[in-house]
This record gives sequence, C-alpha cells and structure tokens, in this order.
Amino acid sequence: GESVGLHLPTLSVQEGDNSIINCAYSNSASDYFIWYKQESGKGPQFIIDIRSNMDKRQGQRVTVLLNKTVKHLSLQIAATQPGDSAVYFCAEKGSGGSYIPTFGRGTSLIVHP
Amino acid sequence: KAGVTQTPRYLIKTRGQQVTLSCSPISGHRSVSWYQQTPGQGLQFLFEYFSETQRNKGNFPGRFSGRQFSNSRSEMNVSTLELGDSALYLCASSLGAGPPNEQFFGPGTRLTVL
Repeated sequence: GESVGLHLPTLSVQEGDNSIINCAYSNSASDYFIWYKQESGKGPQFIIDIRSNMDKRQGQRVTVLLNKTVKHLSLQIAATQPGDSAVYFCAEKGSGGSYIPTFGRGTSLIVHP
Repeated sequence: KAGVTQTPRYLIKTRGQQVTLSCSPISGHRSVSWYQQTPGQGLQFLFEYFSETQRNKGNFPGRFSGRQFSNSRSEMNVSTLELGDSALYLCASSLGAGPPNEQFFGPGTRLTVL
C-alpha cells in the first residue's frame, strides 16, 4: 500500500479500547478543523469537523475536542475496531475566505484484535 | 454514485519531463482541489478550482499548474520535473468551495521521477 509518512507517531490499542489521537495546530486564526482517516492505498477520508466556535463535537463513535487556548485538537474513537487501523491526521483551515488547509503529519493507529 | 477518479494511478517520468494528471470529480461536485503527499512533507495543498476558476493556491513553484473544465473535470500539470516531485498526488472534490463542504478524495496518482 501507499506509505503516507515515515516515522509517524504510532498508537497501538486493543480492540474495544478507546483511542485518543492528538494534534497541535499552528494558526490561532484558523476557524475550521477536520479529522481525516487514511488507509493504506487509499485517499484520505473525512471523519469529523469542528468550527472554532465549538469546543466539542460528536459523531458516530468519534468525538473531536478543540482547545483554542493551547491550539490543540483531539480525536477520540470509542470501542476501537480493527477496521479503524489507519493513519489519522488533522487539518486546519484559516479564516478570511482563503481556507487554504494545513495538515498535521499524522498518527498511525494500530488496533490489535 | 461513483467516487472521485484519478488517472493514471501510477506514472514514472524522468527529470526535466512534464506530466499531466487528471481528476474526475463526483457527479454534481463543482469544486476540485489538488494535494501533494510525501513522506517528508506530509499532505500539502496545491490549488483549488471552482467553476473553472482558481480560488486558492498553495505555496508551490510555478511549475505546478492546473485547470478545470466546464464539466468540472480538472487537470494538473507539472513541468520540468525534479526528483523531489515524486509523490502521491491527490484530488478531492466537493459540492461547493470552502467549508463546510465535505471533500471526497480520490485514490491518488503515484508519480515517480527518476
């Protein structure tokens, strides 16, 4: 499959555990954030997004938390499954209408059955 | 419905050549964005097109260019290829431009420059 990065941080969990993946962003003016999942050999897949006027948003088995004070974003995956194994990365989009996205380097999640 | 398709899937070129990559968005999507993904730099934004107009451009040299056709299909071109241009080039489409329009990515074109 396609390699999306060398020396990525890796998170190994057991099936059924909850996973927390973290991301630090750089632009305090960013007002839109997205989490993506990328499986080997595939393009990124949208998971969940959040605007800067929120600090928490929940989806199906996933929760994104935004801490603007420390410019930190996290993705929580409940009851992690082997199919969740992938590289996860965050993206931030700036304000002012440009919305040019900047992506984090990614975290490799490995779920052991 | 069919997802985003990119052609070719794999490409090998030599330094100095030029290359054109193609992206067909999901039917009805009018926005197409291009990204470069490398192990060293990760995922980086190249440009975004909406209704045949370039809306945003990332920090890449002028050797990287693109266009969008009236049917929303898009092409990107890289001229005078360099070894460092070896990467996975991803295309993403969305209904409209900018958030909260969800982007759908294609599988990418793997370009190797020798």
